[in-house]
Amino acid sequence: EPEVTQTPSHQVTQMGQEVILRCVPISNHLYFYWYRQILGQKVEFLVSFYNNEISEKSEIFDDQFSVERPDGSNFTLKIRSTKLEDSAMYFCASSGAVVNTEAFFGQGTRLTVV
Amino acid sequence: GDSVTQMEGPVTLSEEAFLTINCTYTATGYPSLFWYVQYPGEGLQLLLKATKADDKGSNKGFEATYRKETTSFHLEKGSVQVSDSAVYFCALTATDKLIFGTGTRLQVFP
Repeated sequence: EPEVTQTPSHQVTQMGQEVILRCVPISNHLYFYWYRQILGQKVEFLVSFYNNEISEKSEIFDDQFSVERPDGSNFTLKIRSTKLEDSAMYFCASSGAVVNTEAFFGQGTRLTVV
Repeated sequence: GDSVTQMEGPVTLSEEAFLTINCTYTATGYPSLFWYVQYPGEGLQLLLKATKADDKGSNKGFEATYRKETTSFHLEKGSVQVSDSAVYFCALTATDKLIFGTGTRLQVFP
């Protein structure tokens, strides 16, 4: 069964450092997403991406965040200068269509900022 | 804006007990509704979905019915197992993003 894969599974970084979280969406999907879940809290939408551009972003997704699809398979989330409050589980998701369809999630990357 | 409200957990049950996790939503359009499950240490997995009013989603013995009149999508299972212990998230989508509830932790004891 096709799946979304994320790397690394766990990343520890020092405050102020840049991190790149990587995702390989399901191959024939066209819509890509990043969500995050701070420990014990709800899953929050960060950004959606379609046709090589951001289609929607939340207020969490400020200037320190960026996304990129550098080739035909990878989808990355970059956090430019990490803060302690960026510590969370980051989930990548993809879907085959945009409206009212299910998204398939990766296993997540646990980011710990120290 | 659109939102999802779930009952707070944890829900603690004995094996073979009946499960209900309440979920209500607010949406301006005609959303699809989902239940996702997160097992310990794992990511989110789609459990079931319903795309229009009166649809019933079902999977692995879990069921939920899309009730437009009460704006609800309650999750039910007739007989839970220890392996059902997880966090359950109700979610909706009407555009291109999912909006999640806060999650309900289910603990099932033998």
